[in-house]
Amino acid sequence: DAGVIQSPRHEVTEMGQEVTLRCKPISGHNSLFWYRQTMMRGLELLIYFNNNVPIDDSGMPEDRFSAKMPNASFSTLKIQPSEPRDSAVYFCASDPGGTVRLGEQFFGPGTRLTVL
Amino acid sequence: QKEVEQNSGPLSVPEGAIASLNCTYSDRVSQSFFWYRQYSGKSPELIMSIYSNGDKEDGRFTAQLNKASQYVSLLIRDSQPSDSATYLCAVAAGGFKTIFGAGTRLFVKA
Repeated sequence: DAGVIQSPRHEVTEMGQEVTLRCKPISGHNSLFWYRQTMMRGLELLIYFNNNVPIDDSGMPEDRFSAKMPNASFSTLKIQPSEPRDSAVYFCASDPGGTVRLGEQFFGPGTRLTVL
Repeated sequence: QKEVEQNSGPLSVPEGAIASLNCTYSDRVSQSFFWYRQYSGKSPELIMSIYSNGDKEDGRFTAQLNKASQYVSLLIRDSQPSDSATYLCAVAAGGFKTIFGAGTRLFVKA
């Protein structure tokens, strides 16, 4: 059974460019999360979706960040325009939902973003 | 005050010893508690979840929860060098939002 899939695994871009990160959650999982991890700030929740609907985007740092989940098997996180301070590892995670093991999340391998 | 607090470490223990990792949280309505392991350069991996007061054991790992004291711990028995990683405590207060601590780095000396 495939885990959470993210692409690209590494992205190097120049300041001002648009960056799109992609995520395919585990099939059948109802919730999807985007996180950002840096040494200084640790693991930060950016946004999460339940049944493809954005529930809480309060962690999105500013309007340059946007996320979509057009269907149950695909989500994107877009940064436009990118800035050097956006450099981080971006993780996508999914949660099967239900009440038996509430809140267990499964992480993708991450995308390491470097903005020059 | 941070919502989920952990000692950043590093915590260094000899091989075969018990490693004890601690975590406190601020939200009293928290319902679900997790420990994730993250190797350097890798993604977090769920290793334990606990939902009620007391102990939960899984192999060499034991999670302990005390809601009155707002305290969660992870014990690793017979620590191995392969256990060397950063351990993230995570707390969910209901709904879907999970808050992660900054993590404790564990180093097991062979």
